[in-house]
Amino acid sequence: GENVEQHPSTLSVQEGDSAVIKCTYSDSASNYFPWYKQELGKGPQLIIDIRSNVGEKKDQRIAVTLNKTAKHFSLHITETQPEDSAVYFCAASLGHKYIFGTGTRLKVLA
Amino acid sequence: SQTIHQWPATLVQPVGSPLSLECTVEGTSNPNLYWYRQAAGRGLQLLFYSVGIGQISSEVPQNLSASRPQDRQFILSSKKLLLSDSGFYLCAWRSSGGAGYTFGSGTRLTVV
Repeated sequence: GENVEQHPSTLSVQEGDSAVIKCTYSDSASNYFPWYKQELGKGPQLIIDIRSNVGEKKDQRIAVTLNKTAKHFSLHITETQPEDSAVYFCAASLGHKYIFGTGTRLKVLA
Repeated sequence: SQTIHQWPATLVQPVGSPLSLECTVEGTSNPNLYWYRQAAGRGLQLLFYSVGIGQISSEVPQNLSASRPQDRQFILSSKKLLLSDSGFYLCAWRSSGGAGYTFGSGTRLTVV
Protein backbone atom coordinates (compact mmCIF):
# COMPACT_ATOMS: atom_id res chain seq x y z
CA GLY A 1 0.00 0.00 0.00
CA GLU A 2 0.89 3.66 -0.15
CA ASN A 3 3.39 5.09 2.32
CA VAL A 4 4.14 8.78 2.75
CA GLU A 5 7.21 10.14 4.49
CA GLN A 6 7.42 13.77 5.53
CA HIS A 7 10.45 15.84 6.57
CA PRO A 8 11.36 17.68 8.67
CA SER A 9 9.23 16.94 11.71
CA THR A 10 9.90 20.41 13.10
CA LEU A 11 11.03 23.57 11.33
CA SER A 12 11.82 26.99 12.76
CA VAL A 13 12.31 29.99 10.49
CA GLN A 14 12.64 33.69 11.00
CA GLU A 15 9.71 35.82 9.95
CA GLY A 16 10.11 36.78 6.30
CA ASP A 17 12.22 33.74 5.43
CA SER A 18 11.05 30.82 3.32
CA ALA A 19 10.03 27.40 4.58
CA VAL A 20 10.17 24.14 2.64
CA ILE A 21 8.55 20.86 3.65
CA LYS A 22 9.19 17.70 1.68
CA CYS A 23 7.27 14.49 1.22
CA THR A 24 7.94 11.26 -0.63
CA TYR A 25 5.42 8.63 -1.59
CA SER A 26 5.75 5.01 -2.57
CA ASP A 27 2.87 4.21 -4.93
CA SER A 28 3.60 5.59 -8.38
CA ALA A 29 -0.11 5.33 -9.19
CA SER A 30 -1.00 8.07 -6.67
CA ASN A 31 -2.39 11.02 -8.56
CA TYR A 32 -3.49 13.66 -6.08
CA PHE A 33 -1.39 15.41 -3.45
CA PRO A 34 -3.02 17.83 -0.99
CA TRP A 35 -1.43 19.84 1.78
CA TYR A 36 -3.22 20.63 5.01
CA LYS A 37 -2.56 23.16 7.75
CA GLN A 38 -3.65 22.32 11.27
CA GLU A 39 -3.77 24.91 14.01
CA LEU A 40 -3.81 23.88 17.64
CA GLY A 41 -7.01 22.11 18.65
CA LYS A 42 -8.60 22.39 15.21
CA GLY A 43 -9.18 20.15 12.25
CA PRO A 44 -6.78 20.32 9.28
CA GLN A 45 -7.61 22.81 6.54
CA LEU A 46 -6.73 22.28 2.90
CA ILE A 47 -4.31 24.98 1.76
CA ILE A 48 -3.17 23.79 -1.64
CA ASP A 49 -3.23 20.67 -3.77
CA ILE A 50 -1.70 19.35 -6.95
CA ARG A 51 -2.58 16.63 -9.40
CA SER A 52 -0.11 14.31 -11.02
CA ASN A 53 -0.45 15.94 -14.43
CA VAL A 54 0.94 19.22 -13.09
CA GLY A 55 4.48 19.96 -11.96
CA GLU A 56 3.91 23.11 -9.94
CA LYS A 57 1.07 25.13 -8.51
CA LYS A 58 1.17 28.47 -6.75
CA ASP A 59 -1.28 30.40 -4.63
CA GLN A 60 0.08 33.70 -3.37
CA ARG A 61 2.85 32.86 -0.85
CA ILE A 62 2.29 29.11 -1.07
CA ALA A 63 3.52 26.80 -3.81
CA VAL A 64 3.69 23.06 -4.29
CA THR A 65 6.02 21.19 -6.63
CA LEU A 66 5.72 17.60 -7.76
CA ASN A 67 8.39 15.33 -9.18
CA LYS A 68 6.63 12.19 -10.38
CA THR A 69 9.80 10.45 -11.45
CA ALA A 70 11.34 10.78 -8.01
CA LYS A 71 7.97 10.42 -6.29
CA HIS A 72 8.35 13.44 -4.12
CA PHE A 73 6.51 16.71 -3.64
CA SER A 74 7.22 19.80 -1.63
CA LEU A 75 5.44 22.72 -0.01
CA HIS A 76 7.08 26.12 -0.26
CA ILE A 77 6.00 29.07 1.87
CA THR A 78 7.63 32.40 1.09
CA GLU A 79 7.73 35.55 3.22
CA THR A 80 6.64 33.59 6.27
CA GLN A 81 4.48 35.30 8.88
CA PRO A 82 3.75 34.36 12.50
CA GLU A 83 0.29 33.18 11.51
CA ASP A 84 1.91 30.54 9.32
CA SER A 85 2.93 28.74 12.51
CA ALA A 86 1.03 25.44 12.58
CA VAL A 87 1.40 21.76 11.79
CA TYR A 88 1.44 20.95 8.09
CA PHE A 89 0.48 17.58 6.64
CA CYS A 90 1.06 16.24 3.16
CA ALA A 91 -0.98 13.41 1.71
CA ALA A 92 -1.06 11.19 -1.34
CA SER A 93 -4.10 9.54 -2.78
CA LEU A 94 -5.28 7.23 -5.46
CA GLY A 95 -9.02 7.30 -5.51
CA HIS A 96 -10.73 8.60 -2.42
CA LYS A 97 -8.45 7.42 0.40
CA TYR A 98 -5.64 9.63 1.58
CA ILE A 99 -2.42 8.50 3.20
CA PHE A 100 -0.99 11.30 5.31
CA GLY A 101 2.54 12.13 6.27
CA THR A 102 3.40 12.44 9.95
CA GLY A 103 3.32 16.24 9.93
CA THR A 104 5.74 19.14 10.23
CA ARG A 105 5.49 21.62 13.06
CA LEU A 106 6.43 25.00 11.60
CA LYS A 107 7.38 27.82 13.95
CA VAL A 108 7.80 31.28 12.52
CA LEU A 109 9.90 33.39 14.87
CA ALA A 110 9.09 37.08 15.03
CA SER B 1 -22.44 25.84 0.93
CA GLN B 2 -21.33 22.62 2.52
CA THR B 3 -20.58 22.40 6.21
CA ILE B 4 -19.48 19.60 8.49
CA HIS B 5 -20.41 19.37 12.14
CA GLN B 6 -18.68 17.18 14.67
CA TRP B 7 -19.46 16.83 18.34
CA PRO B 8 -18.68 16.87 21.14
CA ALA B 9 -15.50 18.96 21.00
CA THR B 10 -14.00 17.36 24.09
CA LEU B 11 -14.88 14.23 26.00
CA VAL B 12 -13.46 12.55 29.09
CA GLN B 13 -14.62 8.99 29.57
CA PRO B 14 -13.67 6.23 32.02
CA VAL B 15 -12.16 2.98 30.81
CA GLY B 16 -14.87 0.48 29.94
CA SER B 17 -17.53 3.07 29.18
CA PRO B 18 -19.26 3.31 25.78
CA LEU B 19 -18.55 5.95 23.15
CA SER B 20 -20.59 7.68 20.50
CA LEU B 21 -19.18 10.49 18.35
CA GLU B 22 -21.37 12.01 15.71
CA CYS B 23 -20.60 13.77 12.47
CA THR B 24 -23.06 15.34 10.06
CA VAL B 25 -22.60 17.05 6.72
CA GLU B 26 -24.90 19.69 5.29
CA GLY B 27 -25.31 21.03 1.80
CA THR B 28 -24.35 17.94 -0.16
CA SER B 29 -25.69 14.50 -0.91
CA ASN B 30 -24.05 11.10 -1.05
CA PRO B 31 -20.73 12.27 0.34
CA ASN B 32 -17.83 9.98 1.08
CA LEU B 33 -17.31 10.08 4.85
CA TYR B 34 -14.21 9.32 6.89
CA TRP B 35 -13.11 8.90 10.49
CA TYR B 36 -9.48 9.61 11.29
CA ARG B 37 -7.59 9.44 14.57
CA GLN B 38 -4.66 11.61 15.44
CA ALA B 39 -2.53 10.51 18.36
CA ALA B 40 -0.56 13.19 20.19
CA GLY B 41 2.26 14.46 18.00
CA ARG B 42 1.55 11.99 15.26
CA GLY B 43 -0.08 11.86 11.87
CA LEU B 44 -3.57 11.04 10.76
CA GLN B 45 -4.64 7.42 10.76
CA LEU B 46 -7.66 6.42 8.72
CA LEU B 47 -10.05 4.34 10.82
CA PHE B 48 -13.21 3.97 8.72
CA TYR B 49 -14.69 5.24 5.52
CA SER B 50 -18.10 5.06 3.94
CA VAL B 51 -19.17 5.62 0.34
CA GLY B 52 -22.90 5.21 1.05
CA ILE B 53 -25.58 4.49 3.62
CA GLY B 54 -24.83 1.29 5.51
CA GLN B 55 -21.49 0.84 3.71
CA ILE B 56 -18.58 0.86 6.13
CA SER B 57 -14.98 -0.09 5.46
CA SER B 58 -12.53 -0.56 8.30
CA GLU B 59 -8.89 0.23 7.76
CA VAL B 60 -7.38 -1.05 11.00
CA PRO B 61 -8.47 -3.65 13.54
CA GLN B 62 -9.48 -1.92 16.73
CA ASN B 63 -11.91 -1.45 19.55
CA LEU B 64 -14.09 0.94 17.54
CA SER B 65 -16.92 0.64 15.04
CA ALA B 66 -18.64 3.02 12.67
CA SER B 67 -22.12 3.33 11.28
CA ARG B 68 -23.87 5.46 8.67
CA PRO B 69 -27.58 5.40 9.44
CA GLN B 70 -28.35 8.33 7.12
CA ASP B 71 -26.75 9.75 4.01
CA ARG B 72 -25.04 12.63 5.79
CA GLN B 73 -24.52 11.14 9.24
CA PHE B 74 -21.48 9.18 10.35
CA ILE B 75 -21.12 7.77 13.86
CA LEU B 76 -18.05 6.40 15.61
CA SER B 77 -18.76 4.05 18.51
CA SER B 78 -17.24 1.78 21.07
CA LYS B 79 -18.87 -0.57 23.53
CA LYS B 80 -15.99 -0.43 26.00
CA LEU B 81 -13.28 2.20 25.80
CA LEU B 82 -9.62 1.42 26.36
CA LEU B 83 -6.91 3.82 27.50
CA SER B 84 -5.35 3.47 24.07
CA ASP B 85 -8.49 4.93 22.47
CA SER B 86 -7.49 8.39 23.69
CA GLY B 87 -6.75 10.80 20.87
CA PHE B 88 -8.08 13.45 18.56
CA TYR B 89 -10.83 12.12 16.32
CA LEU B 90 -11.57 13.82 13.04
CA CYS B 91 -14.47 13.35 10.70
CA ALA B 92 -14.06 14.34 7.07
CA TRP B 93 -16.15 14.37 3.92
CA ARG B 94 -15.50 14.48 0.24
CA SER B 95 -17.88 14.58 -2.67
CA SER B 96 -17.92 11.35 -4.63
CA GLY B 97 -16.51 13.08 -7.67
CA GLY B 98 -14.36 15.63 -5.90
CA ALA B 99 -10.84 15.83 -4.66
CA GLY B 100 -10.02 17.43 -1.33
CA TYR B 101 -11.30 16.35 2.05
CA THR B 102 -13.02 18.82 4.33
CA PHE B 103 -12.39 18.03 7.98
CA GLY B 104 -14.57 18.71 10.98
CA SER B 105 -13.24 20.52 14.01
CA GLY B 106 -12.41 17.30 15.83
CA THR B 107 -13.20 15.64 19.15
CA ARG B 108 -10.51 15.30 21.77
CA LEU B 109 -11.18 12.07 23.64
CA THR B 110 -9.41 11.32 26.90
CA VAL B 111 -9.98 7.90 28.41
CA VAL B 112 -9.14 7.83 32.11
